[in-house]
Amino acid sequence: GESVGLHLPTLSVQEGDNSIINCAYSNSASDYFIWYKQESGKGPQFIIDIRSNMDKRQGQRVTVLLNKTVKHLSLQIAATQPGDSAVYFCAENFRGFGNEKLTFGTGTRLTIIP
Amino acid sequence: DVKVTQSSRYLVKRTGEKVFLECVQDMDHENMFWYRQDPGLGLRLIYFSYDVKMKEKGDIPEGYSVSREKKERFSLILESASTNQTSMYLCASSLKVWGAGANVLTFGAGSRLTVL
Repeated sequence: GESVGLHLPTLSVQEGDNSIINCAYSNSASDYFIWYKQESGKGPQFIIDIRSNMDKRQGQRVTVLLNKTVKHLSLQIAATQPGDSAVYFCAENFRGFGNEKLTFGTGTRLTIIP
Repeated sequence: DVKVTQSSRYLVKRTGEKVFLECVQDMDHENMFWYRQDPGLGLRLIYFSYDVKMKEKGDIPEGYSVSREKKERFSLILESASTNQTSMYLCASSLKVWGAGANVLTFGAGSRLTVL
């Protein structure tokens, strides 16, 4: 999962297995949560988002789960492929006072083992 | 294909130099952002802009300034570079979707700055 500090959490998964990446967020008033994927040498790319009034959302091979009680977010990737190797960031979106703010987690490095 | 272009992928500067990082987006997005990315610290917001000539401080604005004279261009300026500003700098843009929808950012590929 994600944590504050100088060490990037890592997760190694066998190709074809499912992976789960966890994230704890801080602001209970955040209205959206978003997952980004960053491949080596590239900027982060949007994967999937979920509104705060939902607890689950599915995309293609990905599912995001939201547990507001414990302020926890997870990204599940089914049948992982080598191209899934990347750093994954969760982000929480807060709207208020005429603007909105997106706060990112520290990231989790996912490595797919062939 | 939507694009955010950062003009410099790699820069090496000396302490005290003035540094300009340029970012251009071709999606007619209202919002533009500058983040810095450091290992284990994730992405931290430096400055953002919701409109031309408008700027707002993010979480770590000290030592930086920005300029947005045109909608498509957002520049990050380091007035006097220091070694602790060695980092990966990411520019992003998004549509203004106040009241509906997620604030989905499109990022550039990043500019890696080394200050000696």
